[in-house]
Amino acid sequence: GQQVMQIPQYQHVQEGEDFTTYCNSSTTLSNIQWYKQRPGGHPVFLIQLVKSGEVKKQKRLTFQFGEAKKNSSLHITATQTTDVGTYFCAGRGSGGYNKLIFGAGTRLAVHP
Amino acid sequence: DTAVSQTPKYLVTQMGNDKSIKCEQNLGHDTMYWYKQDSKKFLKIMFSYNNKELIINETVPNRFSPKSPDKAHLNLHINSLELGDSAVYFCASSRRLPGTANTGELFFGEGSRLTVL
Repeated sequence: GQQVMQIPQYQHVQEGEDFTTYCNSSTTLSNIQWYKQRPGGHPVFLIQLVKSGEVKKQKRLTFQFGEAKKNSSLHITATQTTDVGTYFCAGRGSGGYNKLIFGAGTRLAVHP
Repeated sequence: DTAVSQTPKYLVTQMGNDKSIKCEQNLGHDTMYWYKQDSKKFLKIMFSYNNKELIINETVPNRFSPKSPDKAHLNLHINSLELGDSAVYFCASSRRLPGTANTGELFFGEGSRLTVL
């Protein structure tokens, strides 16, 4: 079945450093979504990527969807303490009804 | 107004008991879900309903029984609770994308933390 692998599992950075998390799917995706979950909170939708090679930016966050639509990344420039949390990618397969498969998440800690 | 609300927020109970978690969404969405998040933060889908019809039923023990009385509500009943059922259970909803069988972004509730002693 479809699997979505996400790395790294944990990342500790100093405030001001950059951060990247990567997702890889075993199958071609129709789209990929990214969510952020603050400690003690619930996942909150950040963005959806649909097109091959798509790049979207939200302030310091840059999201990419690979050309083959099997991988994606989230890059945060100059991290801040407010970026702390777990970032999940969630991929949806192609054709018919396909459920979102979540990656295992990357837990980001930012040290001031 | 909370878009997706679940109750209770915390639940502590003994092994063998039966408990229910309720979920309601006021977004007018057609599709609702239950996800289980374990201690390692892994989010695993359990069930999905579209307009009260079960469309996803993952390999979940049959002690877990979802019920959707209408498209705005999706409840989860758990029989004979076990230690391994301890987790945070998230309800979520989404709208169906026009012309497709798929849905858009998920809106999650705040979660129900279940602790089985």
